[in-house]
Amino acid sequence: DIQMTQSPSSLSASVGDRVTITCQASQDISNYLNWYQQKPGKAPKLLIYDASNLETGVPSRFSGSGSGTDFTFTISSLQPEDIATYYCQQYDNLPPLFGGGTKVEIK
Amino acid sequence: EVQLVESGGGLVKPGGSLRLSCAASGFTFSSYSMNWVRQAPGKGLEWVSSISSSSSYIYYADSVKGRFTISRDNAKNSLYLQMNSLRAEDTAVYYCARAIAAAGTGEDYWGQGTLVTVSS
Repeated sequence: DIQMTQSPSSLSASVGDRVTITCQASQDISNYLNWYQQKPGKAPKLLIYDASNLETGVPSRFSGSGSGTDFTFTISSLQPEDIATYYCQQYDNLPPLFGGGTKVEIK
Repeated sequence: EVQLVESGGGLVKPGGSLRLSCAASGFTFSSYSMNWVRQAPGKGLEWVSSISSSSSYIYYADSVKGRFTISRDNAKNSLYLQMNSLRAEDTAVYYCARAIAAAGTGEDYWGQGTLVTVSS
């Protein structure tokens, strides 16, 4: 199985800060990576697919980049409504494993 | 509007069985692969199973292989997960989700989830 190492596991930032989350795959997955947002008590929501494509309706402050084994997810200006846990997911091979998640809090 | 509504969760004893259902609406169900993803209390997301649009391709996580069976009824716009020989570690919220593309490519729409608790 392809393992996904996501970091950090949690972070605290101020409103307006730039927030960066990384995800590293255990082998080359090209650009077969998704990013999800999960708010407490809610289902996950797809934000980014194919590593860098913004899902329709998702604010442009969210972005993704990377290919191969190293990927980055960025919130350009953190907003209060962005408080959530964020997950990466590879889909190059089955099983489509998720990273461990990054919990984002407001400082 | 895409809607996915799960049902069938509840409390079951270890070794017991449960059948989850997912009612889909707002899209052409028969054109999409579908997935089940679960989340244990306080834990991360775990992909469970995928089924292609015509049921030709079916995949399972190793943790449930041989115990769980995914199926669908395109005439009823419904997805199912038959869970047998349940274990305490199967306790989780189970989400029905539409695949972005082919089976196993991630999920673009999710249901609200149904809680399965395995406990004596």
